[in-house]
Amino acid sequence: NAGVMQNPRHLVRRRGQEARLRCSPMKGHSHVYWYRQLPEEGLKFMVYLQKENIIDESGMPKERFSAEFPKEGPSILRIQQVVRGDSAAYFCASSPPRVLQETQYFGPGTRLLVL
Amino acid sequence: AQKITQTQPGMFVQEKEAVTLDCTYDTSDPSYGLFWYKQPSSGEMIFLIYQGSYDQQNATEGRYSLNFQKARKSANLVISASQLGDSAMYFCAMREVGNQFYFGTGTSLTVIP
Repeated sequence: NAGVMQNPRHLVRRRGQEARLRCSPMKGHSHVYWYRQLPEEGLKFMVYLQKENIIDESGMPKERFSAEFPKEGPSILRIQQVVRGDSAAYFCASSPPRVLQETQYFGPGTRLLVL
Repeated sequence: AQKITQTQPGMFVQEKEAVTLDCTYDTSDPSYGLFWYKQPSSGEMIFLIYQGSYDQQNATEGRYSLNFQKARKSANLVISASQLGDSAMYFCAMREVGNQFYFGTGTSLTVIP
């Protein structure tokens, strides 16, 4: 059973470009979470999605950031017109639904560097 | 209000000694789960231990134990017999019934030889 997969592992973009980060949850998991981690800081919640549905996007910046989790395919975190402050590690995690004792399983993260 | 509070930004412990990493939480739900994760310098997030709000006994996993004090809303992680490989960031998290996970800001642990 493959774990949570994220790609790319490293992404370099110039200011103004778009960044697309992909996350494939573990098999059987219908819940996906995206987090951002700045250097030397903790995880900041961004968005929580189920298939075709955004449950909670309270941690997502209102502009330039969007996320989706389509019926088929991976979850996508999209950052438009990137700025240097977007440089961070972006982690995706997945969990099965409605089972309190089930932990989130994290992907290896995508390190985004904006030049 | 913060859902998860970790008040120790950095901790040091001598190799082979025990160390306690603090975590307090805030919820009005009767059902919730508490988790600890380790993030070594390589960056991956590693699940360590889980405690359910209805569990009567403190959770243990090898050298990790969770000191769960429900009335105080605290879920401290105890690492016994520290090893050099325990040097990492440690995050406390809580899951409520609505499936949202809340993370603390983390504690950086350094094990001194």
